[in-house]
This record gives sequence, C-alpha cells and structure tokens, in this order.
Amino acid sequence: DARVTQTPRHKVTEMGQEVTMRCQPILGHNTVFWYRQTMMQGLELLAYFRNRAPLDDSGMPKDRFSAEMPDATLATLKIQPSEPRDSAVYFCASGTGSSGNTIYFGEGSWLTVV
Amino acid sequence: QQQVKQSPQSLIVQKGGISIINCAYENTAFDYFPWYQQFPGKGPALLIAIRPDVSEKKEGRFTISFNKSAKQFSLHIMDSQPGDSATYFCAASIKTGFQKLVFGTGTRLLVSP
Repeated sequence: DARVTQTPRHKVTEMGQEVTMRCQPILGHNTVFWYRQTMMQGLELLAYFRNRAPLDDSGMPKDRFSAEMPDATLATLKIQPSEPRDSAVYFCASGTGSSGNTIYFGEGSWLTVV
Repeated sequence: QQQVKQSPQSLIVQKGGISIINCAYENTAFDYFPWYQQFPGKGPALLIAIRPDVSEKKEGRFTISFNKSAKQFSLHIMDSQPGDSATYFCAASIKTGFQKLVFGTGTRLLVSP
C-alpha cells in the first residue's frame, strides 16, 4: 500500500529550537509538496519540488524556514529558530504526471512550539 | 485571483439528508477542480474531481456540479451518513504540467445519526 510517510508525527519543542520534519514520498512520484494547516489559515502551500528541484517556495517564510530534497526518497522541512506561531500541522504530499493532478497526502507532522 | 472561496464553514445534516458545499473561484485559467476529504488526525484524501468540460460528475453518493459561466462548483453528498462526517476542501489548479493546488478554507460536516 503506497503512501507518503512523515516523521515525526508529533513534536513539542521550545521556542528557539530547530525543528526538522521529514517526508518520504510515494516511490516514483516526482513532485513533492509541503503544506501547513492551521485553523485560521487552512491549508497553505509552503513549497514544492519537481524532480528534486524547488519550483515554488513563495509561501514559506524565508528567514526561518528551509526545504530541501537531498534525494528522491527524502524531503525535509526545517524551521530555525521555531516560534509559537509555527504551531500547526505540516503535511507533505506527492504526485506524478501519471496520477493526473492527484496528490497524495501524508498523515502530517503535528508541531507545537511552546 | 488565486483564491478559492468555500462555504459554509460548518454544516450539520441529518442522516439520509443531502449535504451541499459550495466553492467559487476567480481565475479562469483554473481547469481542474478536486474535492478532498479529511478525517480528524489524517491527511486530506482525494474524493472526486472534475474538469470544466463537463457540468456534472457523479461517483456513488458524491456529485460535483460545475457552472463555468458563474465560476462556481459544488459538492453534493446524497443520503449523508455519519461516516461522512469530516472536513471537506475544494481546490483548483491549472493543468499546465503538474501544478500546485489552491485550497478553499474547508467545511466541517457533521452528519447526525
């Protein structure tokens, strides 16, 4: 059963600490998205990659957030330093041309910054 | 222009009733309109999608109605069941390559037994 895998599932951290979230896209998917979900803003696109190259990261606060794809099986989203307003659920999703426009979401990383 | 406006924010429907969620968009370049369903603690999952060359698409109890001239589309859930209780998101994208989705703000549906 192919699925997007995200770690950690839950993270509580203190303000100022570095947070790294990891995503393993579905094997063969060449497009990877990072979304953030909050009650106030809903689902916001932070960044996305195609064939490991960043295509759009305009939704991401550049001063503290960074996203990378070290290889085709791993995408990372890093926050340094973290702030309480970063508390949210971070979703990774992946897709490919053969899946049409369908993207498949992971179960999310629930981040709480205190 | 990149926004998708969704309503209502929340909806309570009795079991067996019809649930209707509406979305509107401005960008006429959008040509793919999916609906995603999200259960608590889970990621959104594709429910049904439509392209603007048809006015309606039905899959089981779920139907998308699409009005291109009004730039609106809606999700109808017939014979709503308690298991349909979830948050529903409409979305839109431009199918030029494989593009990012713009999501609506979500509708929390509760189907009462």
